[in-house]
Amino acid sequence: KAGVTQTPRYLIKTRGQQVTLSCSPISGHRSVSWYQQTPGQGLQFLFEYFSETQRNKGNFPGRFSGRQFSNSRSEMNVSTLELGDSALYLCASSGGDRAYTEAFFGQGTRLTVV
Amino acid sequence: GIQVEQSPPDLILQEGANSTLRCNFSDSVNNLQWFHQNPWGQLINLFYIPSGTKQNGRLSATTVATERYSLLYISSSQTTDSGVYFCAPVMMNRDDKIIFGKGTRLHILP
Repeated sequence: KAGVTQTPRYLIKTRGQQVTLSCSPISGHRSVSWYQQTPGQGLQFLFEYFSETQRNKGNFPGRFSGRQFSNSRSEMNVSTLELGDSALYLCASSGGDRAYTEAFFGQGTRLTVV
Repeated sequence: GIQVEQSPPDLILQEGANSTLRCNFSDSVNNLQWFHQNPWGQLINLFYIPSGTKQNGRLSATTVATERYSLLYISSSQTTDSGVYFCAPVMMNRDDKIIFGKGTRLHILP
């Protein structure tokens, strides 16, 4: 059974550009969550999607957005990139209809904004 | 205030030593996981343990939900155990979001 797949693994963007990251969950999992990890702030929750609906959202500006497709794959988009958006972005999938079930993480996308 | 607190923040041990990592949380939990973040950034699942005790080889974990803490035990440490260990509870009344602690950075010396 394949794990959670995130693409791309590494990305370098220029300030002001936008970026789209992709996450394919474990087959059969319907919940996908996104997290941002920085040295200063640690791991912070961005948002969660379940069956194509955003079910939960963290405290990030509107430049951060996401969506989920009917096959449960999810994308997150960051517009008008800032230097502070440089981070490791992690995606997690879980199989239950609530967040009580075990979450499995992908390898992450490391974004560098220059 | 702090919702998830992990201690110690850093730990340096000699290979073969045992260690105990602690996680305190501020509310009742629906779920709690322990992860090991490898040098490449991936979070590796160690335990899904909202309550009780589980063991997996040299690692074991205990969550005492009524007292709002969880412990991760690592016995006979190996250099490959180095990395950051995260406690991640899903606390009731927190909109089902996983809240991560700041982690314990473990360095095992050969």
